[in-house]
Amino acid sequence: QLQLQESGPGLVKPSETLSLTCSLSGGSITSDSYYWGWIRQSPGRGLEWIGNIYYTGSTNYNPSLKSRVYISVATSKKSFSLSLRAVTAADTGVYYCVRDGAAVVTAPTAGMDVWGKGTTVIVST
Amino acid sequence: EIVMTQSPATLSVSPGERGTLSCRASQNINSNLAWYQHQPGQAPRLLIYDASTRASGIPDRFSGSGSGAEFTLTISSLQSEDFAVYYCQQYNNWPWTFGLGTKVEIK
Repeated sequence: QLQLQESGPGLVKPSETLSLTCSLSGGSITSDSYYWGWIRQSPGRGLEWIGNIYYTGSTNYNPSLKSRVYISVATSKKSFSLSLRAVTAADTGVYYCVRDGAAVVTAPTAGMDVWGKGTTVIVST
Repeated sequence: EIVMTQSPATLSVSPGERGTLSCRASQNINSNLAWYQHQPGQAPRLLIYDASTRASGIPDRFSGSGSGAEFTLTISSLQSEDFAVYYCQQYNNWPWTFGLGTKVEIK
């Protein structure tokens, strides 16, 4: 059964870059049926879609973050990563990685059906 | 971007009663809608996709309906484990967007 696990620093200083990695176990990152994405939840707020990536490297980003965000994939390591530049306190929150079948017609399940447990990132000095 | 509006913000329901949650899209999204359940301290869980298809392992007391711009999630008989926040999410157009959520609490 596919599992996702986020990893990365829990504390980032303002203006620096937030970097997280999501590692897969029990499944293939080169599946042609899924994108791999990032979602976050800031304190007291709902869920925000950050972006996603296909195993080929094709990406989609939230326009509200597009100037600061970069998602990459490392198929040999069965992982994908998020970089968010120039962070502020508003970027504090819980970050989740997900498997997303919504953008692929052949996916058995549309929507984000596998989630990591989430990792808390605090932006502070 | 498509704005998703959920109502009510909070739904107070007694265990065993029916709960009905609404989600409205700012434009036609066909049936490209998912519902998620989010318990505190846990990752969200996919309940429904394509507006009305239950995800794997989801009890049949959860049902989704609607198309176009108006959608409903119904929980036929609320169990203790169902008290949580529920989000709708559209995947008809980039960027994917979520509603602000409906908190289902014990009455």
